[in-house]
Amino acid sequence: EAGVAQSPRYKIIEKRQSVAFWCNPISGHATLYWYQQILGQGPKLLIQFQNNGVVDDSQLPKDRFSAERLKGVDSTLKIQPAKLEDSAVYLCASSALPGQKGGELFFGEGSRLTVL
Amino acid sequence: KQEVTQIPAALSVPEGENLVLNCSFTDSAIYNLQWFRQDPGKGLTSLLLIQSSQREQTSGRLNASLDKSSGRSTLYIAASQPGDSATYLCAVRHNYGQNFVFGPGTRLSVLP
Repeated sequence: EAGVAQSPRYKIIEKRQSVAFWCNPISGHATLYWYQQILGQGPKLLIQFQNNGVVDDSQLPKDRFSAERLKGVDSTLKIQPAKLEDSAVYLCASSALPGQKGGELFFGEGSRLTVL
Repeated sequence: KQEVTQIPAALSVPEGENLVLNCSFTDSAIYNLQWFRQDPGKGLTSLLLIQSSQREQTSGRLNASLDKSSGRSTLYIAASQPGDSATYLCAVRHNYGQNFVFGPGTRLSVLP
């Protein structure tokens, strides 16, 4: 079974530029999450989708971050314009619904963003 | 608001020791708790998932316990090896939502 796929793995941009990250979850997983992880900290939820609907985006800085999950499968996270403090690893994760397979969470390898 | 803490923040032990990592959460209304391992520059790898109705789960040298009433979980690693060196994170999933809240992690170094 293929895992969660993310791209690109690394991205370096200058402040005020834009960047987009892509995620393809495990096949059949209804729930998709984007997390931001700053060095030395645990992941922080940015947005959670169930199928193609948003469940929780309360911590997404909506003035600069946007995300979509078309057709309830893969997802894109965009940052525009980027700030220095956006330098972090952006992790995508997916899970089946809680009643299915225990709702275990699986992560991709992450996309490391450096903003200069 | 759920808060998850992990103690200690860092731990260094000689190879062969048994060790315990701790995870505490403030809201006991959880659906499940999951332990992860993260190697430098990598994503998170799932180690163990404990449902709220369970008391413990075991996988090889790893054993995780859950005490919902006290808001605690422990990850026990037996006979530690240098390859166990990594950051270990716990995450809890709410009953009333589906989001996971993560602790800051414990950075483990196992010395040969």
